[in-house]
Amino acid sequence: GAGVSQTPSNKVTEKGKYVELRCDPISGHTALYWYRQSLGQGPEFLIYFQGTGAADDSGLPNDRFFAVRPEGSVSTLKIQRTERGDSAVYLCASSSGIGTEAFFGQGTRLTVV
Amino acid sequence: EDQVTQSPEALRLQEGESSSLNCSYTVSGLRGLFWYRQDPGKGPEFLFTLYSAGEEKEKERLKATLTKKESFLHITAPKPEDSATYLCAVHVYGQNFVFGPGTRLSVLP
Repeated sequence: GAGVSQTPSNKVTEKGKYVELRCDPISGHTALYWYRQSLGQGPEFLIYFQGTGAADDSGLPNDRFFAVRPEGSVSTLKIQRTERGDSAVYLCASSSGIGTEAFFGQGTRLTVV
Repeated sequence: EDQVTQSPEALRLQEGESSSLNCSYTVSGLRGLFWYRQDPGKGPEFLFTLYSAGEEKEKERLKATLTKKESFLHITAPKPEDSATYLCAVHVYGQNFVFGPGTRLSVLP
């Protein structure tokens, strides 16, 4: 596709459930980023992949959050035992290399009830 | 700790009333500074990249400038369709993008 694609666009889940959020980056982009954005705030860094490996996962808030990118393309953000505080818009971005601009998807709005 | 702040938090302009948005940063090893526009319910849309002090970039009614400590986004004769949140982000060597909180711009007809 021409841009970064994220699915689902909306996800409502019950507290304690497991969720997976998917990101399909721009073809050929080696760098992939996950961010979380709460209402009225700027995006907050979660994790960054360069190729298949997580180059920086220092933004993951705790061990309930995990992300993979097994073939260096599509990435999945996994959240276990969801809590109401996890409710936010989860944004994915990709870029062609270090220091170049990142292009964002439309985000997945996660609501934990 | 790397920090990015933006001011003002919100700005209301009349159509045609030019103004500037500020992005101030404290980082070690700046690789680039990026401006994004974000509309409600959408992901951030890339506008500009600036790499070195003194650099300027222009696009339609927008012009971005960079000094060693801050960047300005100048909006000339804005139109209602320029209403959005404008985000500034810095890319630090060996790290990720650090975003500011954004400036919510409203342009009234």
